[in-house]
Amino acid sequence: GDSVTQMEGPVTLSEEAFLTINCTYTATGYPSLFWYVQYPGEGLQLLLKATKADDKGSNKGFEATYRKETTSFHLEKGSVQVSDSAVYFCALTNSNYQLIWGAGTKLIIKP
Amino acid sequence: SAVISQKPSRDICQRGTSLTIQCQVDSQVTMMFWYRQQPGQSLTLIATANQGSEATYESGFVIDKFPISRPNLTFSTLTVSNMSPEDSSIYLCSVEGVGTEAFFGQGTRLTVV
Repeated sequence: GDSVTQMEGPVTLSEEAFLTINCTYTATGYPSLFWYVQYPGEGLQLLLKATKADDKGSNKGFEATYRKETTSFHLEKGSVQVSDSAVYFCALTNSNYQLIWGAGTKLIIKP
Repeated sequence: SAVISQKPSRDICQRGTSLTIQCQVDSQVTMMFWYRQQPGQSLTLIATANQGSEATYESGFVIDKFPISRPNLTFSTLTVSNMSPEDSSIYLCSVEGVGTEAFFGQGTRLTVV
């Protein structure tokens, strides 16, 4: 079945470091890809999305590019801040319109 | 976009009791979804609630344990019945668009003691 695999956490970085959180997927057809973020004590919210191959989603300094050849949607940010500490979820919607979630990656940014 | 109000935001309940979680959407939606997020885990879909029909439950979830109501196109409830400590989780309601993002309520953090 369709699935999303993302790197295990927690990921601990110092402020202003470069961030990459890997996400790969398995799905038939052309899924839409998403990154969601869950800040401490809050609900989930969409961070960015891409709906077709080679699309780049971006928001709040975060970017991810839909790579169909490698079935990946890695999340990157050039310089992280303490306020970026959260849990990040990679997800896709498949051809059956189901939302498939990755396990989540906890990010800890130290000042 | 959709704004979802979910309540209660948190509760501490005695084992054997039941809790009903409410989810109100600011627009009419066909499908609403209920998820469980256990500590340190990803989201697990409990059921899909369509207005005017029985909810569709995912494997491992049954109506007797998680009865769902969907009386209209903007509202749904999930009841966690006969609770045990294993039911301690965050419960989330969500609405989704085809190929578009999902919108979530703030979640209900349930602790069963």
